[in-house]
Amino acid sequence: EPEVTQTPSHQVTQMGQEVILRCVPISNHLYFYWYRQILGQKVEFLVSFYNNEISEKSEIFDDQFSVERPDGSNFTLKIRSTKLEDSAMYFCASKIWGRGEKLFFGSGTQLSVL
Amino acid sequence: DQQVKQNSPSLSVQEGRISILNCDYTNSMFDYFLWYKKYPAEGPTFLISISSIKDKNEDGRFTVFLNKSAKHLSLHIVPSQPGDSAVYFCAASAGTQGGSEKLVFGKGTKLTVNP
Repeated sequence: EPEVTQTPSHQVTQMGQEVILRCVPISNHLYFYWYRQILGQKVEFLVSFYNNEISEKSEIFDDQFSVERPDGSNFTLKIRSTKLEDSAMYFCASKIWGRGEKLFFGSGTQLSVL
Repeated sequence: DQQVKQNSPSLSVQEGRISILNCDYTNSMFDYFLWYKKYPAEGPTFLISISSIKDKNEDGRFTVFLNKSAKHLSLHIVPSQPGDSAVYFCAASAGTQGGSEKLVFGKGTKLTVNP
């Protein structure tokens, strides 16, 4: 079965530094997402992306966050100035189209902000 | 803001028996419900879903039941197998324009199936 690929699997950074989390969604998928899970808490929606623009974002997704699909295959999440509370597992996900289509998740990037 | 609640953090069952995982929701706008399974160090994997126009959906050993009046759904696994041991997440979405719906997840229930 096709997979969503995320790199790196672990990222350690200093508070205030910029990080870019990378994802390669499944090739014929049209909708792209970032979710995150803080240790011990639920998986939370961050942002959805369709047709080269953000279609929906959560309150978590403030001005420090941005997403980009620079080359038609990669999908990136950038955090400009990381905070301690950004430490979490970040999941990229994609789906082909429409309601009810299943969402495929990557294995996640564990971000640790020190 | 717990719109989707999984009140049992863990469940332990014997191999071959039924596993029943429960989920409650509060948002009446939710009209699509999904179950995801997650193993350690992996992303959530889609298991089964149900639309609000149905009250049951079955896929092999997995059946999801939806009780809209009670805002409750459950996942039944019969028979349970040791390989089913994982964290199970209930998720819900509300209809939005264009199909780019976000999922709201519960906190998960860790299922352990003992041989």
